[in-house]
Amino acid sequence: SQQGEEDPQALSIQEGENATMNCSYKTSINNLQWYRQNSGRGLVHLILIRSNEREKHSGRLRVTLDTSKKSSSLLITASRAADTASYFCATPDAYSGAGSYQLTFGKGTKLSVIP
Amino acid sequence: GAGVSQSPSNKVTEKGKDVELRCDPISGHTALYWYRQSLGQGLEFLIYFQGNSAPDKSGLPSDRFSAERTGGSVSTLTIQRTQQEDSAVYLCASSYSGGVRETQYFGPGTRLLVL
Repeated sequence: SQQGEEDPQALSIQEGENATMNCSYKTSINNLQWYRQNSGRGLVHLILIRSNEREKHSGRLRVTLDTSKKSSSLLITASRAADTASYFCATPDAYSGAGSYQLTFGKGTKLSVIP
Repeated sequence: GAGVSQSPSNKVTEKGKDVELRCDPISGHTALYWYRQSLGQGLEFLIYFQGNSAPDKSGLPSDRFSAERTGGSVSTLTIQRTQQEDSAVYLCASSYSGGVRETQYFGPGTRLLVL
């Protein structure tokens, strides 16, 4: 079942501008994670925000979480051409057995940063 | 240390043939996940392995799909009698112990094309 839904589906900005992507989810979460994917290949973990956190920073990334609205946002400041990629939010869904958690991903926001 | 590796990078096969995809997780990681990313479908969970526990196969789309993990390390995903709808990027991920707060580290994926 779809958990995260990113918005917008595609975003095109000029280098140096800020990029904001949003994610909405449906059920209660323990944490929410953001990943980046270049050219349809491997995913790179960017940041994890826990359900009791409201904001988290990592370099040029800023993530917010509003559990009352079941939404999160990823802000990339001073964007660079190298930031061009697809960005996904993901939440862990519990497996009722051995206690491991697969991730449920949204469909992603495709970001294009124009030099 | 080395990240998650997958082979082959690309695989083209004819409809009806069997294929095997390989994943080498990060050394010491006990949890291993397979995901599939189809065009326009986003990422979907297929199967996970956690130590010596029975795998969670709840995401496998049909009985043509199977996976094994030998010696708690390398994993092979097998698709029998491939169909065109199996064309996708197959991503493997591993994490230290599969806990809900853990980061999953992804491999570069295998791009499968079924003709």
